Amino acid sequence: GQQVMQIPQYQHVQEGEDFTTYCNSSTTLSNIQWYKQRPGGHPVFLIQLVKSGEVKKQKRLTFQFGEAKKNSSLHITATQTTDVGTYFCAGHRSNDYKLSFGAGTTVTVRA
Amino acid sequence: DSGVTQTPKHLITATGQRVTLRCSPRSGDLSVYWYQQSLDQGLQFLIQYYNGEERAKGNILERFSAQQFPDLHSELNLSSLELGDSALYFCASSVGNSGANVLTFGAGSRLTVL
Repeated sequence: GQQVMQIPQYQHVQEGEDFTTYCNSSTTLSNIQWYKQRPGGHPVFLIQLVKSGEVKKQKRLTFQFGEAKKNSSLHITATQTTDVGTYFCAGHRSNDYKLSFGAGTTVTVRA
Repeated sequence: DSGVTQTPKHLITATGQRVTLRCSPRSGDLSVYWYQQSLDQGLQFLIQYYNGEERAKGNILERFSAQQFPDLHSELNLSSLELGDSALYFCASSVGNSGANVLTFGAGSRLTVL
């Protein structure tokens, strides 16, 4: 089963509004990655967080890694129609080769 | 174009049949990963190869097998197909074999089992 849980599964947002999606792990992660999959497309890497409490920004997107390195969040401000898609977090434990993906948050935008 | 090539893009077959999906990793990448994505589902990790050797195994059924060849391309073989095997199969590649490596995904192979 999934080792990384993501909520919410679906997010319907009015254009211009902000929203946040959350990623939680039951175990400490050595790093967390975020990917975006546009409708009909494939996942594309957005960012990687490694340090406890790390915050990184990409234009309107703010990514945060929790102090305990067990959770992460993606906050999007002033949502645009180009933000439509599914956002996946993926966590890596230090004793594991593989990256565990969350179930994703699918974002739709109302114009 | 991500640099990861997957063929075929679409495949329709019948239950009980066998198919092979092919993946060429991005130039310079030694690791290949296979993921399954069913309708409205997340990415289920199947298997990972690094430089020709199996590195990690996920929720891969016994009816499925994979390998990575000396030229680093990989094939995923799906046999005794069932309706539930209908899904999008993604291949991804990375430079190393650590979970810290960033994955580059291909466009996927959509399998429909009728």
